[in-house]
Amino acid sequence: AQSVTQLGSHVSVSEGALVLLRCNYSSSVPPYLFWYVQYPNQGLQLLLKYTSAATLVKGINGFEAEFKKSETSFHLTKPSAHMSDAAEYFCAVTTRPSGTYKYIFGTGTRLKVLA
Amino acid sequence: GAGVSQSPSNKVTEKGKDVELRCDPISGHTALYWYRQSLGQGLEFLIYFQGNSAPDKSGLPSDRFSAERTGGSVSTLTIQRTQQEDSAVYLCASSKPLASSTDTQYFGPGTRLTVL
Repeated sequence: AQSVTQLGSHVSVSEGALVLLRCNYSSSVPPYLFWYVQYPNQGLQLLLKYTSAATLVKGINGFEAEFKKSETSFHLTKPSAHMSDAAEYFCAVTTRPSGTYKYIFGTGTRLKVLA
Repeated sequence: GAGVSQSPSNKVTEKGKDVELRCDPISGHTALYWYRQSLGQGLEFLIYFQGNSAPDKSGLPSDRFSAERTGGSVSTLTIQRTQQEDSAVYLCASSKPLASSTDTQYFGPGTRLTVL
């Protein structure tokens, strides 16, 4: 079975500091990996996705993530945090049992940006 | 519509009552997903529709939960005899025809269900 683990349910960074949100996956087949963001009182929206092309994936709002097979990781980074980045971030992996598509989400990391 | 819509946005009900939650996907999206988001639990997959059929119902937590989709569009998630542990935000997402597993899911704002 595939799974996703997000280390740290809460992360705080200062404005302008590096953002690093961790995601590790488990998969017996090459995975497709996603990061979604959920702003307060809004639905989830896609930040970026890894589709087995380039291992360094760039997304919206200056975020990027690097797929590292040897470490089974897909950590999300942003060089300089902005107050507007405060949100909850979810890592997800697709699995395809029985010919259907199913997404497994992590438990989320709430990012707080300090002024 | 421009995005996925869900109704109601908030629902407060008494234990034992039935509730219906509605999802309107983006026009033309044939895949539709229901998730449950509980505090500190992340997103829990409930059910997936491709068109009107549900090839994967593995996430439905009990037989009190059911879902249907008609006309390949609107979906309704029904919870019978609600329990307090059903309190959560129920999210709906849709995506284009599944040409590959990399298709993006578009999420609605969710329905916050509170069972008293």
